[in-house]
Amino acid sequence: DAKTTQPPSMDCAEGRAANLPCNHSTISGNEYVYWYRQIHSQGPQYIIHGLKNNETNEMASLIITEDRKSSTLILPHATLRDTAVYYCIVRAVGAGNMLTFGGGTRLMVKP
Amino acid sequence: DTGVSQDPRHKITKRGQNVTFRCDPISEHNRLYWYRQTLGQGPEFLTYFQNEAQLEKSRLLSNRFSAERPKGSFSTLEIQRTEQGDSAMYLCASSPRQGGNTEAFFGQGTRLTVV
Repeated sequence: DAKTTQPPSMDCAEGRAANLPCNHSTISGNEYVYWYRQIHSQGPQYIIHGLKNNETNEMASLIITEDRKSSTLILPHATLRDTAVYYCIVRAVGAGNMLTFGGGTRLMVKP
Repeated sequence: DTGVSQDPRHKITKRGQNVTFRCDPISEHNRLYWYRQTLGQGPEFLTYFQNEAQLEKSRLLSNRFSAERPKGSFSTLEIQRTEQGDSAMYLCASSPRQGGNTEAFFGQGTRLTVV
């Protein structure tokens, strides 16, 4: 699976949009971009995934650049409960489908 | 369905003892994963089952570690002769179907402390 690069930490004001970037310049054509988050002392939680089109669900939006070398996870109205470590993962559809986590971005939402 | 369940949530053991953790995946999920997470790091893949078959093992899984999923439902992870370096959060995840592109659902984890 391709490697990803994320900033180690970010701050966001409560109620504002949180935009979390991810670089995945070596992504290949059959690899999807996944986002998970991990709130303190809990297991990771799936947020969203996409291949090349932008995606939106009830939690977030995922914007993938046309060349697919980077993406941005957008939390439109961040709340204090969104404080967590956010992991961007690139994963090919294959036999195992295990996830390779990097260091993630620690998002701190401040009042 | 209450999600992926792990037991115990916390375990403190003395070095050299054996420990066993249990994971109950979401019903009907045929894929089950074990991960290990140390402080400040992302989870690291340990092993993966499809039904009762263990299909993949990481090099992190030393010969002191063994995992089973005897009837394709719950799974156990055993660590023999524990070492202080085994102290970590052990996470279990399951996903629903073969092929495709489905998300994994994680349990709350078992935090192991080896003293």
